[in-house]
Amino acid sequence: NAGVTQTPKFQVLKTGQSMTLQCAQDMNHNSMYWYRQDPGMGLRLIYYSASEGTTDKGEVPNGYNVSRLNKREFSLRLESAAPSQTSVYFCASRINTVYEQYFGPGTRLTVT
Amino acid sequence: KNEVEQSPQNLTAQEGEFITINCSYSVGISALHWLQQHPGGGIVSLFMLSSGKKKHGRLIATINIQEKHSSLHITASHPRDSAVYICAVRAGWGSQGNLIFGKGTKLSVKP
Repeated sequence: NAGVTQTPKFQVLKTGQSMTLQCAQDMNHNSMYWYRQDPGMGLRLIYYSASEGTTDKGEVPNGYNVSRLNKREFSLRLESAAPSQTSVYFCASRINTVYEQYFGPGTRLTVT
Repeated sequence: KNEVEQSPQNLTAQEGEFITINCSYSVGISALHWLQQHPGGGIVSLFMLSSGKKKHGRLIATINIQEKHSSLHITASHPRDSAVYICAVRAGWGSQGNLIFGKGTKLSVKP
């Protein structure tokens, strides 16, 4: 099993460009999450999906959109990137009967 | 005010030392998680606990629900323990399982 995979690993964008971060899990998990991690701050929840077909905002959703394409995949889209979105983005997943979350390797995004 | 506070922020130890990392929280919780983030960036879950104590190898996690405090101990520390240790709480009962994270404690163990 690959666990939780994320693509790309690194990305540099110019202000105003758009991109989609991809996340997939092969553990048959129900819930999936997108977090951002910034220096000096804890992980912050951007969006989550408790099940296929549902998505909800987290603590810092502004500037992002998500799609739960199917049970395996949960993508995060930046429509018009801003320097404030420079961060490391983590995807995570869990099965609904257990609260332990499994994290992907992260995507380091720089917006210039 | 941060709902999850960790101390210390940074910790340097000599190989073999006993290490304690503390976590205090201000909200009612249903569980507390300890996670480890390696220098390469990957995050793994170490413990999930709602009462008492758990042990895995050289790592021990304790929680005192009344005092809203948890500690992570590492016995006989080793350079490979160097990482950022993150405390996270799951607030309340019946929640979606969403976590509130501390800022992390960066541990460096010198040989």
